[in-house]
Amino acid sequence: AQSVTQLDSHVSVSEGTPVLLRCNYSSSYSPSLFWYVQHPNKGLQLLLKYTSAATLVKGINGFEAEFKKSETSFHLTKPSAHMSDAAEYFCVVSDLTGANSKLTFGKGITLSVRP
Amino acid sequence: NAGVTQTPKFQVLKTGQSMTLQCAQDMNHEYMSWYRQDPGMGLRLIHYSVGAGITDQGEVPNGYNVSRSTTEDFPLRLLSAAPSQTSVYFCASSYSRGGDTQYFGPGTRLTVL
Repeated sequence: AQSVTQLDSHVSVSEGTPVLLRCNYSSSYSPSLFWYVQHPNKGLQLLLKYTSAATLVKGINGFEAEFKKSETSFHLTKPSAHMSDAAEYFCVVSDLTGANSKLTFGKGITLSVRP
Repeated sequence: NAGVTQTPKFQVLKTGQSMTLQCAQDMNHEYMSWYRQDPGMGLRLIHYSVGAGITDQGEVPNGYNVSRSTTEDFPLRLLSAAPSQTSVYFCASSYSRGGDTQYFGPGTRLTVL
């Protein structure tokens, strides 16, 4: 069984300050991990993806995440927040084994960016 | 490419009514799926399909039916709508497997009164 924990439901930062969105996972296999972003009233868009290559993954819009197996974490960071980063962020885990592999979503983090 | 398209964008139903949510993709993806999104619960898998003619249940399948007659289309049917089905529904597709990168449609916001 696999699961994702996003302990923070809401994070608020000032524009220009760093962003840290935390994610911890549980998986019986070597997992693949994703971060998706959802802007208001929109569908989900892939930010970045880890699939057992480099542990530091760079995504779109200046975001990156580091896979830490010992801590079972995959936190999302950005050095400087922009107003357009305000959205909901989902951490997602997959075992990527077999035709019936599935994604398990975290509950999401709402990021607010203050001017 | 249009990607993944969904219709309608908004729908209001009365309890007991039935309807079909449409989903289509033009990327020749084998895998398609339906999720529902409820506040504070992330996305939960309703049904999925690994190819034309093959469907299976996800985490929350009760009250929903699906079929996959073509690679492109994957409609979701609500048989007898209930207020508990008020949600935002997303269709997604990927090249081969559910565990791979998913491409999401824009969503359908459904309210059941």
